[in-house]
Amino acid sequence: AQSVTQLDSHVSVSEGTPVLLRCNYSSSYSPSLFWYVQHPNKGLQLLLKYTSAATLVKGINGFEAEFKKSETSFHLTKPSAHMSDAAEYFCGGSGGGADGLTFGKGTHLIIQP
Amino acid sequence: DSGVTQTPKHLITATGQRVTLRCSPRSGDLSVYWYQQSLDQGLQFLIQYYNGEERAKGNILERFSAQQFPDLHSELNLSSLELGDSALYFCASSDGGGNQPQHFGDGTRLSIL
Repeated sequence: AQSVTQLDSHVSVSEGTPVLLRCNYSSSYSPSLFWYVQHPNKGLQLLLKYTSAATLVKGINGFEAEFKKSETSFHLTKPSAHMSDAAEYFCGGSGGGADGLTFGKGTHLIIQP
Repeated sequence: DSGVTQTPKHLITATGQRVTLRCSPRSGDLSVYWYQQSLDQGLQFLIQYYNGEERAKGNILERFSAQQFPDLHSELNLSSLELGDSALYFCASSDGGGNQPQHFGDGTRLSIL
């Protein structure tokens, strides 16, 4: 069975400092993993995806994530936070047959000026 | 703009009623997914259709049903509504299986009074 755990419900950083949003997964199969961002009253927007090619994945808006099989992790990073990055972030995965995504509970990213 | 259109944006109804939510996928996408987002349950996968056929089921209640039509639009039917069904319902589409990214609409907010 597939499960995804986002380790922090809230993360607060200052503008211009690095961002780290943590995601662990468990799967009996080689997973496909995704990060999405959700702004208020909007749907989820895809940031990046991992599908067993390169382990370091670059996404939109300066975000990237590294797939570490030994740690079963897929953490999202950005070198320098911008005020517009304030939003809810979801890590999701699929694998093991069903194509629906299993999501973590989300991390609320707060950017301090 | 994800290219996925959901209508209506908001729906207010009473307990015991039945509603239909509509989704038009991105042009060319054959898969449609439905998700429910609520404060207590988070983002949950409900059901997937691929080219008109049901492909995968998640945590969908028996009171809920869906279908995908020949023009690939999909409808989610919710019946015998309860207060706990109040949530954001998202539709997503993709052009293939679980390793393809899903593109989300802006959702339908359902409020049960």
